[in-house]
Amino acid sequence: DTEVTQTPKHLVMGMTNKKSLKCEQHMGHRAMYWYKQKAKKPPELMFVYSYEKLSINESVPSRFSPECPNSSLLNLHLHALQPEDSALYLCASSPQRGGRADTQYFGPGTRLTVL
Amino acid sequence: GENVEQHPSTLSVQEGDSAVIKCTYSDSASNYFPWYKQELGKRPQLIIDIRSNVGEKKDQRIAVTLNKTAKHFSLHITETQPEDSAVYFCAASTEYGNKLVFGAGTILRVKS
Repeated sequence: DTEVTQTPKHLVMGMTNKKSLKCEQHMGHRAMYWYKQKAKKPPELMFVYSYEKLSINESVPSRFSPECPNSSLLNLHLHALQPEDSALYLCASSPQRGGRADTQYFGPGTRLTVL
Repeated sequence: GENVEQHPSTLSVQEGDSAVIKCTYSDSASNYFPWYKQELGKRPQLIIDIRSNVGEKKDQRIAVTLNKTAKHFSLHITETQPEDSAVYFCAASTEYGNKLVFGAGTILRVKS
């Protein structure tokens, strides 16, 4: 398996809902990432997990809560979101070889709409 | 922190012509420079990358050049085809970081 997969593809939620985004890879990569992408903008880094430990949090509001249950899975738990949080949420993974900057492979994303 | 500037923001070329997109970076410690192509509604896909120990890299119709002294790198697409139409993002990263800093993107339109 040479792809990063994400579920669901689309998600519509109210501001009081709790939902989760899921990301999976079976390439043996040890770094996984969450990005947020608004229309016509570049991906914006949110979180980085390295060897299942959170290594970077780009000052993301606490209504976004990441979780890395194992080396293949990455979740993003959502609670009390705002309409401005509507965006494409991209997951990515990279090999994490000896600290060298590696190619990041992106999943197809989850299109999130907050009403 | 690192800052990456990308130009132009939009680029229209005739099919068969060449396209060049340029990026500059601010952090001299950056040494990994990937280019991603993102078609509408799709994921960003790596098309080529270069590390700072190399000045140029080619893959068929695509090439990337890097000038470490001037801190800029460029994407060159020759013999453009309509399927090259997409948004292209450059990015930069340091050797020990997982953090990719992206440029703002270039919308490339190839007219047939």
